Amino acid sequence: NAGVMQNPRHLVRRRGQEARLRCSPMKGHSHVYWYRQLPEEGLKFMVYLQKENIIDESGMPKERFSAEFPKEGPSILRIQQVVRGDSAAYFCASSLQLEETQYFGPGTRLLVL
Amino acid sequence: AQSVTQLGSHVSVSEGALVLLRCNYSSSVPPYLFWYVQYPNQGLQLLLKYTTGATLVKGINGFEAEFKKSETSFHLTKPSAHMSDAAEYFCAVSHNTGGFKTIFGAGTRLFVKA
Repeated sequence: NAGVMQNPRHLVRRRGQEARLRCSPMKGHSHVYWYRQLPEEGLKFMVYLQKENIIDESGMPKERFSAEFPKEGPSILRIQQVVRGDSAAYFCASSLQLEETQYFGPGTRLLVL
Repeated sequence: AQSVTQLGSHVSVSEGALVLLRCNYSSSVPPYLFWYVQYPNQGLQLLLKYTTGATLVKGINGFEAEFKKSETSFHLTKPSAHMSDAAEYFCAVSHNTGGFKTIFGAGTRLFVKA
């Protein structure tokens, strides 16, 4: 059973471009969570999704950021018009049900030049 | 609101010595508590978790943690440090409140000296 997959592992963008981060949850998992980790800091919750639904987006900036988890395919975290402050590691996690254990992917490290 | 405080952003121990990483939480409801380990440029790996029942929880790699409600603590210990334990460790708390999410501490970086 493959773990949580994220791609790309590293992403470089110039200011103003768009960044699209993908997350494929573990097989059978229908709950996906996105977190952001700034250098030397812990993970900060961004958004929690189930298939085709955003359940909790209280940690996601209101502008430029969006997330989806379609019926088919991976979950996508989209950042429009990136700025240097968006540079961080973005982690995806998934869980089987609404239970307490989340399994994390290896992360996507975004660098905005 | 829930929160997690990890005392000491950096901890250094000698190989073979006791590892103690401190974590305190605040919560208005019974918490679920976790410790995760992160190696450089990798994702988080679950070490152990407490949900209900026995307050002393054993995890992988010889680590264990004890939930002490009266002290609102969930400290992580290992009797004898190994060089491969050098990593960053995160304590986390979560609740199934319908707006399900996990709150992480800022992390403690563990250094192991030969």
